[in-house]
Amino acid sequence: DAGVIQSPRHEVTEMGQEVTLRCKPISGHNSLFWYRQTMMRGLELLIYFNNNVPIDDSGMPEDRFSAKMPNASFSTLKIQPSEPRDSAVYFCASRPGGGVNTEAFFGQGTRLTVV
Amino acid sequence: KQEVTQIPAALSVPEGENLVLNCSFTDSAIYNLQWFRQDPGKGLTSLLLIQSSQREQTSGRLNASLDKSSGRSTLYIAASQPGDSATYLCAPWFTGTASKLTFGTGTRLQVTL
Repeated sequence: DAGVIQSPRHEVTEMGQEVTLRCKPISGHNSLFWYRQTMMRGLELLIYFNNNVPIDDSGMPEDRFSAKMPNASFSTLKIQPSEPRDSAVYFCASRPGGGVNTEAFFGQGTRLTVV
Repeated sequence: KQEVTQIPAALSVPEGENLVLNCSFTDSAIYNLQWFRQDPGKGLTSLLLIQSSQREQTSGRLNASLDKSSGRSTLYIAASQPGDSATYLCAPWFTGTASKLTFGTGTRLQVTL
């Protein structure tokens, strides 16, 4: 398996523009996570899906952020409108089902810069 | 609040040394704990997962221990190499958190020649 695949790897956008980040989890994994990493706050969970259903979105910073998982092999994280403080590395991760003793695997991340 | 602390924040050692990275967490009710490494500008690579019922888990030169009751885990790296230079992150999965990993701030390791 190619692992968790994220696109784009880098995104530079102007303040106010819409940004869409994409993730393809590992085939067969039924849990998907979006994390954000900054120097100040480290890694923070934004949202967690299980079987394509959002379970915990308490980490989504505000209404400008939205995430979808239309099927088991694709998820998006959208920011509209983007702001400079959204600049960070956004990671997608997936984990298999089947209990609590399963590893989470991360993608390579999308480095977002909002200018 | 469930928090994770990693000490030291940064560490520099000469090649060949054995070293220990520490992770402490405020809530002993965990399902498991995962150790990751992150190279600069890269994603997180899973190193080891240690289950709450386990005391140790080994992979090659890496050994992770877990003392759940005291809220501590250590990652032992034997015979360190320059290729081990990276940031190491621990992430317990606290019970009642719906599958969320909570990350420490990491230990940045540099192994020098």
